[in-house]
Order: sequence, then C-alpha cells, then structure tokens
Amino acid sequence: QLQLQESGPGLVKPSETLSLTCTVSGGSISTTYYWGWIRQPPGKGLEWIGSIYYNGRTSYKPSLKSRLTISVDTSKNQFSLKLSSVTAADTAMYYCARQGASYYYSSGSYLPHGGFDSWGQGTLVTVSS
Amino acid sequence: QLVLTQSPSASASLGASVKLTCTLSSGHSTFAIAWLQQQPEKGPRYLMNLNSDGSQTKGGGIPDRFSGSSSGAERYLTISSLQSEDEADYYCQTWGTGLVVFGGGTKLTVL
Repeated sequence: QLQLQESGPGLVKPSETLSLTCTVSGGSISTTYYWGWIRQPPGKGLEWIGSIYYNGRTSYKPSLKSRLTISVDTSKNQFSLKLSSVTAADTAMYYCARQGASYYYSSGSYLPHGGFDSWGQGTLVTVSS
Repeated sequence: QLVLTQSPSASASLGASVKLTCTLSSGHSTFAIAWLQQQPEKGPRYLMNLNSDGSQTKGGGIPDRFSGSSSGAERYLTISSLQSEDEADYYCQTWGTGLVVFGGGTKLTVL
C-alpha cells in the first residue's frame, strides 16, 4: 500500500527558507504520476503549491513560483519542497500527495491530470521568530 | 482563469441525502474534477474523479453512498443515507495545462 510521509522543521524564522521532504514507500516514485505539495493555513482551505514528475518536470502555482523549488530524488524515492523568504502567511499544514499524469500532445509532455489520490498525514509548519 | 466555486456550508439530517455543488468558471465547463473529503482534524481523502459526462472513478473503499454527477459547468457530489462520520469539509479540485486548483470547500453538517 502506497504511503507518503512528510518530514522537516516545524518552526521556521521569517525571511528564511522552509524545507520539507516527502518520502514515498510501498511504490516507486518513478511512475506515471505527479507528486505534489498542498498546504492548508489554520482554519482555511486547501491550496496547491506545486508538483513534480519523476523526470524533474515541475508545475508551480504562479503566485509562489518566484520563491519555490520542488525537486525529486528517485534513488531515495523522495521529493522535496523549498519555499524561500517565508512570512507568517506561510504558516500552514503542509501535505504531500500523489496525482495522476497524462500526456498532453499540445505541450509534448506529461502534465498533472486527476485528483490527488494518496496523501501524507501532513506536517505543521509555523513561521515565527 | 480556472476557478472552482463551492458554497461554504450545507446541512442535512442523519439518514437523508445531500447534494453538494462545485461550479467551474466560464470557459471550463468540460473540465473534469475530483472530490475530496476532509474529516475534522484529519488529512484529505480522495473520493472520486468526475468527468463532464458524469462518468466517475472512485477511490478504493469509498462507499456506494457517495456518487457524482455533472450538468454543464456544475459538478455534484451526492451523499445518501447520511451518517455522522460524513460530517466533514468537502473540496473539489481540478487541473489543466499544468495547473491545479482547489475550490474553497463546503462544510457539511449532519443534523
């Protein structure tokens, strides 16, 4: 059974970089799926941050793109999130999840396609000095 | 711009049925969506993918009480024989040209 587990610091100082890793077990990350990061501020809804394919192709939320790096390490079956210059507005529960992928002839590549069908339990990250 | 609109809240009685709505923005009426459930203090759970023709692919272990349907730009989630554990937030999610969007969520109260 596929399992995803987030890990990383629970407290980050303002202006610093938030770094999280998602470890995938029970299946290979090198398959026809995208691997995504989603966050949820306390008491609010879900927000997609970005996703990555096993070959390193990324899709980012436009408003976060300038601060965001998502990478994949297929040898460790992990993918990671780095969000720079954080503020209190980045305080949230951060989830990693798996999403389907489909080949889009218009772009000549696999793109995210489908719902997020497997989720990690989430990790709370607080931005505070 | 790809946007999903959901009513903030809904309520229905134990044992009854409820139909939640997710509306796709103009120009996106053929898009598929996914429905997700988030029970209190838990992470989201995938319910199903729902296409514009009403065809659906459910996640493993999702009861038959949960079903989806479509009409134009509207995507619906119907929950029948409501149980107390169905009290949760329900989100719709869609995707297109590399982007992913969530609706604002509907908080369902089971009376």
